Amino acid sequence: SQQGEEDPQALSIQEGENATMNCSYKTSINNLQWYRQNSGRGLVHLILIRSNEREKHSGRLRVTLDTSKKSSSLLITASRAADTASYFCATDLITQGGSEKLVFGKGMKLTVNP
Amino acid sequence: EAQVTQNPRYLITVTGKKLTVTCSQNMNHEYMSWYRQDPGLGLRQIYYSMNVEVTDKGDVPEGYKVSRKEKRNFPLILESPSPNQTSLYFCASSRYIAGVGELFFGEGSRLTVL
Repeated sequence: SQQGEEDPQALSIQEGENATMNCSYKTSINNLQWYRQNSGRGLVHLILIRSNEREKHSGRLRVTLDTSKKSSSLLITASRAADTASYFCATDLITQGGSEKLVFGKGMKLTVNP
Repeated sequence: EAQVTQNPRYLITVTGKKLTVTCSQNMNHEYMSWYRQDPGLGLRQIYYSMNVEVTDKGDVPEGYKVSRKEKRNFPLILESPSPNQTSLYFCASSRYIAGVGELFFGEGSRLTVL
């Protein structure tokens, strides 16, 4: 089953509004990352938050991590049409064999209307 | 400019005709990986490599081969492509040996197998 699940699967907002996307996961992690993918293009890394961090900022992005609830949220403030993209969370988990593995969620589509 | 370069970007082929998708990175990264992206299934890892001459299977390796003879190159080989390998393929690299830090993605290779 999927390690990271983004919610909602799709979100449509007006330019200038804030967009919040959530990611839930099942097992303990070392870190969690968020990526953006413009239609048909490669994924671009946005931000990484470690398991001992609760909040991180990067420009208009704010990421929170609640390890007790096994969830993370990505907030994009003052959204722009250029933020229209799919967003993925990726969790770094420890496999049964003891190795680390990065697992991506299925992604969620954000549409920002001008 | 730091980048991961994939070729070809688009390819239409027929069942059984061997093909290779090349991937090259200029960041001296140890870790490289191939993913396929399909609607509703998200990103799934095909193969990965933690160093030259070291490769390992990901979640969906069947029907694919890889090689890592040089640090910068990590080609994906489809010996006998089938229609179920029609997909969008991404190569990625990371300076983290286990590939669990920031991943740099190529622009993708859209493959159609008839």
